[in-house]
Amino acid sequence: SAVISQKPSRDICQRGTSLTIQCQVDSQVTMMFWYRQQPGQSLTLIATANQGSEATYESGFVIDKFPISRPNLTFSTLTVSNMSPEDSSIYLCSVESRGTTGELFFGEGSRLTVL
Amino acid sequence: RKEVEQDPGPFNVPEGATVAFNCTYSNSASQSFFWYRQDCRKEPKLLMSVYSSGNEDGRFTAQLNRASQYISLLIRDSKLSDSATYLCVVDTGRRALTFGSGTRLQVQP
Repeated sequence: SAVISQKPSRDICQRGTSLTIQCQVDSQVTMMFWYRQQPGQSLTLIATANQGSEATYESGFVIDKFPISRPNLTFSTLTVSNMSPEDSSIYLCSVESRGTTGELFFGEGSRLTVL
Repeated sequence: RKEVEQDPGPFNVPEGATVAFNCTYSNSASQSFFWYRQDCRKEPKLLMSVYSSGNEDGRFTAQLNRASQYISLLIRDSKLSDSATYLCVVDTGRRALTFGSGTRLQVQP
């Protein structure tokens, strides 16, 4: 299994500001995924972060709003830019298991509230 | 149509009951299927993979019907600790997994 640490675990932010979420994995992984889970909803994939190349964004998510960095194989950041109350959500970092095909391990999530 | 659809829930059952959750998926090319469990205010964790032949893990049984594009999870002898949200998850061939909206289970004493 992979151990994933996310920071911050929660934050309350003002409208119009930006917040960067950090994700640290205890082993080298090829792909890291960023998900969003809005209140009462399931997980929606934001983007896939690959080391050495630009992140790949899903439909409805753009780089200007959610810039992602992936400087090495154990670390990634997701920034939520120019926040509005609609961005209030839990943001989760995840990586694939090296064992069971398709299994994802998740960080504990970053709970963001935008006022 | 959503890529992965689940029973809306919530399911409120007494301890010891048997409960079944259903899930359908829209992409017939999907290859891998899973059930994840998510406790309140926690991250999702893999409960079990779902194989074509069906598989069982203790009190939990998962079934896959490719022809109907249907997945099920059966929980026997429900425990209070089974209370959680159960997420049907499908590998649709894209870069990452697609999650259903989840079915909430509340087991009551």
